[in-house]
Amino acid sequence: DAGITQSPRHKVTETGTPVTLRCHQTENHRYMYWYRQDPGHGLRLIHYSYGVKDTDKGEVSDGYSVSRSKTEDFLLTLESATSSQTSVYFCAISENTANTEAFFGQGTRLTVV
Amino acid sequence: AQSVAQPEDQVNVAEGNPLTVKCTYSVSGNPYLFWYVQYPNRGLQFLLKYITGDNLVKGSYGFEAEFNKSQTSFHLKKPSALVSDSALYFCAVRLLTGFQKLVFGTGTRLLVSP
Repeated sequence: DAGITQSPRHKVTETGTPVTLRCHQTENHRYMYWYRQDPGHGLRLIHYSYGVKDTDKGEVSDGYSVSRSKTEDFLLTLESATSSQTSVYFCAISENTANTEAFFGQGTRLTVV
Repeated sequence: AQSVAQPEDQVNVAEGNPLTVKCTYSVSGNPYLFWYVQYPNRGLQFLLKYITGDNLVKGSYGFEAEFNKSQTSFHLKKPSALVSDSALYFCAVRLLTGFQKLVFGTGTRLLVSP
């Protein structure tokens, strides 16, 4: 999967606890993304990054924060997990230009109980 | 709003028959369009893209897609389906304003029966 590693791959956590998901890339791509996948919704963008310490919100960013201190790492934090955040989370990377495709990690299945 | 639609939740086809998975888009300007496939418990894999040029683009695993500007469509096709093609397929469009985000459709599940 194009040099992208997500960790953990599976996690069960309790409501109200903070959770951090990690995405690590070895491709040196500038852009990194976090998506969530839910039935009937496809993939929805949570946050994205266009460089080290440069991040911005996607369409479903409430309750999530991100950080990118190094080119290769992009962290997604659920500040206080809720059951509505039970989902499969995907990290993706892409190069600079609009005509390049994004490459996806294998996903993290998060269950909030 | 700029978006992409996949009107079919599921497509069923017999092995050996041609398949089509539909996608329509609504964006301003010339679109950059993509198809991805997702196998169970895996991430999305890139299949093909349309940027410019020939309206028929060829991709991985024998898939192709036809860009139709007048109908604002980008349907995925394969002349002869395989059981192993059974998966979830996503169409996506890259917005050419602002950050140039990838926007995905809701996905179409393809089931190929033996």
